[in-house]
Amino acid sequence: DQQVKQNSPSLSVQEGRISILNCDYTNSMFDYFLWYKKYPAEGPTFLISISSIKDKNEDGRFTVFLNKSAKHLSLHIVPSQPGDSAVYFCAASLQGGSEKLVFGKGTKLTVNP
Amino acid sequence: DSGVTQTPKHLITATGQRVTLRCSPRSGDLSVYWYQQSLDQGLQFLIQYYNGEERAKGNILERFSAQQFPDLHSELNLSSLELGDSALYFCASSVEPLLYTEAFFGQGTRLTVV
Repeated sequence: DQQVKQNSPSLSVQEGRISILNCDYTNSMFDYFLWYKKYPAEGPTFLISISSIKDKNEDGRFTVFLNKSAKHLSLHIVPSQPGDSAVYFCAASLQGGSEKLVFGKGTKLTVNP
Repeated sequence: DSGVTQTPKHLITATGQRVTLRCSPRSGDLSVYWYQQSLDQGLQFLIQYYNGEERAKGNILERFSAQQFPDLHSELNLSSLELGDSALYFCASSVEPLLYTEAFFGQGTRLTVV
């Protein structure tokens, strides 16, 4: 049973436009959510996170939105740049008993010049 | 550079063999995590160590084992290897068990079982 789902395996956008990557989770006990970016032949790199007590967190061009009632989070990248082309993983963690990160399968973002 | 070092980067071995993957965490990090990424799959959590002790266990096969040494480096041992064990194995480290902190990943070891 996959607790963190990224239903879009791939996404293609034009440079300068907005990229929206989506993630759904099933476990309502998750209380911390992260996005990682991964380039080929490299390990995942932390991008941005959000605690369940917030509904938005912003860092430069990257904004993560959390909708707890819908068990949904999204990552917005504005404006998108060709260097943003990578695989983006959504991850969730559960405090107080389970300290592992549960990852989605990833969405491959391609930003076209 | 995340500060997490994994060796070797690539490993090719035959079925039935045993291999050891090594991870050196970031300086000061006490927690080490191992993840497996198979083709078209997300990262599957295998096991976590904190300051030398096993802290959490995921979908780790009985043929796999790990340990964290006093100098905090960690090793993942994979034995009786099967073709399906071919994957990328990532190590990550964090200052402490995840409490609103993020983990930093190494570049991974690509294991190919032939």
